Amino acid sequence: AQSVTQLGSHVSVSEGALVLLRCNYSSSVPPYLFWYVQYPNQGLQLLLKYTTGATLVKGINGFEAEFKKSETSFHLTKPSAHMSDAAEYFCAVKTGANSKLTFGKGITLSVRP
Amino acid sequence: SAVISQKPSRDICQRGTSLTIQCQVDSQVTMMFWYRQQPGQSLTLIATANQGSEATYESGFVIDKFPISRPNLTFSTLTVSNMSPEDSSIYLCSSFSGLLDTEAFFGQGTRLTVV
Repeated sequence: AQSVTQLGSHVSVSEGALVLLRCNYSSSVPPYLFWYVQYPNQGLQLLLKYTTGATLVKGINGFEAEFKKSETSFHLTKPSAHMSDAAEYFCAVKTGANSKLTFGKGITLSVRP
Repeated sequence: SAVISQKPSRDICQRGTSLTIQCQVDSQVTMMFWYRQQPGQSLTLIATANQGSEATYESGFVIDKFPISRPNLTFSTLTVSNMSPEDSSIYLCSSFSGLLDTEAFFGQGTRLTVV
């Protein structure tokens, strides 16, 4: 079975500050890991993904995430928050082709001026 | 990536009635997935639909309440039956494409309100 844990439901940062959104996964096989962003009243947008290879992956809008197998983590970071980053962020895991995508409960990111 | 056309985009329905949501993919896909996103919540998988076989339902979801059809490799429907206000949610269909099936794509969602 696969699962995703996103601790906390809300993170608030100041504009220009570091963004760190935590994600831990559970999987019996090597996982594929994803971060999605959802802006209010909009659909899901893929930020980045890890499948194989380099463990530090870069995505859109300046976000990146590092796959750490030993810690079963895939935390999302951005060096400098922008007001436009305010949204809901979902971590998700998949355990291979033809397997389902399982989402974490999501984290709301607020950015203070 | 592939595109899913989902309809209706929103609906307001009376309790006790049923609503069928349709998803049309612009390419053939092996598996399609149906999710529910309740207000302020994450996406919860309802079922996985393969062409030519019964859908596989997740714990807490049953075929009588959420019957699914998958008549071919580009189309699927989800019916929300005997609706109650607790069924008010966004319903999304999804599939994968690309290498290792890691390119997930989603329909735009159906925002359902049951009154």
